[in-house]
Amino acid sequence: GQNIDQPTEMTATEGAIVQINCTYQTSGFNGLFWYQQHAGEAPTFLSYNVLDGLEEKGRFSSFLSRSKGYSYLLLKELQMKDSASYLCAALDSNYQLIWGAGTKLIIKP
Amino acid sequence: DTAVSQTPKYLVTQMGNDKSIKCEQNLGHDTMYWYKQDSKKFLKIMFSYNNKELIINETVPNRFSPKSPDKAHLNLHINSLELGDSAVYFCASSQERSDWGTDTQYFGPGTRLTVL
Repeated sequence: GQNIDQPTEMTATEGAIVQINCTYQTSGFNGLFWYQQHAGEAPTFLSYNVLDGLEEKGRFSSFLSRSKGYSYLLLKELQMKDSASYLCAALDSNYQLIWGAGTKLIIKP
Repeated sequence: DTAVSQTPKYLVTQMGNDKSIKCEQNLGHDTMYWYKQDSKKFLKIMFSYNNKELIINETVPNRFSPKSPDKAHLNLHINSLELGDSAVYFCASSQERSDWGTDTQYFGPGTRLTVL
């Protein structure tokens, strides 16, 4: 079956760095997405990786290893507004997004 | 302008009723989706639809049906509502699938459905 695994919850301190991991098993693979979802709001797009390596976008970076079925989202210089759920989703061979349950990130002062 | 809009934002109704949620996108996308997000925050695909193909998640009860009057709209009709239908329903859209797989989806604000 198809599966996405990511931690349920993480806590970090304002100004620090946090890494959210995601492992995936899908029927075929056409890329991996990270979305941010604040409580009560819709998910918003953060990043897309299809090739191995690190993609940097400001304070956020996303990494992919296709051979390991693994990705992470790295958030630097954490701000209180980064408190949200972070959803990992893999695009399978039918171009359907398979979603993880999300990682709730709590930022403390 | 809102890229993907849904109405209503909140919907409270009695068991057994029939209701609809509307979705519109002004991005010129070819594919639209409906998701259900339950209390555990899993996003579950219900339907994906473009002008060529409707793909239905086989676990979705046939009480749920998508209606697309045109490319910019995909409405969700729900018949005989049940308590377990209470959830947040998200509409999303993306460009038509390509070999590059850049299928970034843009979400509407969600509709919180409460069935009493």
